Amino acid sequence: GAVVSQHPSRVICKSGTSVKIECRSLDFQATTMFWYRQFPKQSLMLMATSNEGSKATYEQGVEKDKFLINHASLTLSTLTVTSAHPEDSSFYICSARGTYRNEQFFGPGTRLTVL
Amino acid sequence: GDSVTQMEGPVTLSEEAFLTINCTYTATGYPSLFWYVQYPGEGLQLLLKATKADDKGSNKGFEATYRKETTSFHLEKGSVQVSDSAVYFCALSDLSGGSNYKLTFGKGTLLTVNP
Repeated sequence: GAVVSQHPSRVICKSGTSVKIECRSLDFQATTMFWYRQFPKQSLMLMATSNEGSKATYEQGVEKDKFLINHASLTLSTLTVTSAHPEDSSFYICSARGTYRNEQFFGPGTRLTVL
Repeated sequence: GDSVTQMEGPVTLSEEAFLTINCTYTATGYPSLFWYVQYPGEGLQLLLKATKADDKGSNKGFEATYRKETTSFHLEKGSVQVSDSAVYFCALSDLSGGSNYKLTFGKGTLLTVNP
């Protein structure tokens, strides 16, 4: 149980375009979802926390207008990278936490490459 | 704020060698402690956890004990295998109200096990 999926697993896009990444909890209801960014050989940096039905809470230094997060249902959150630039290239990982579990379950990650 | 410091790698061992990866933390409350493993190109998987002082988490031959007096949660395995090659992250979760159970990660330790 407690499976989290991400789609797509890899995406390559041109500079200036927008990219949407989906994060789904497959067998539980995720009241809270987290979005992380991981640079090569570095740790995970928390970008934002989203609770179902409310606005996301962004970490300091993360541009909310550039990284749009929507948590429309208890099983789906999306991260949209708007007007992507090469410096946005990274590995984006989501995680989800259910109502009764003090544990985050991680998705497999999405590799974004902006040309 | 909360922080996690873990042993910098990379760590290279021969198969069947003993593994220790040190992890210490600072936290204002009483956090839960975790070890996550990330295999190449994948997301994070929970390896083990401990939720209170003196708890020992164990899984797949790995162990770590929550030591409040030394604020440590060192990861150990008696005999590593080639398949253990991965990046290991120590993390803590603040369980205080309003924190949304955010995870704070260490920088990760790359382990390579040679046959």
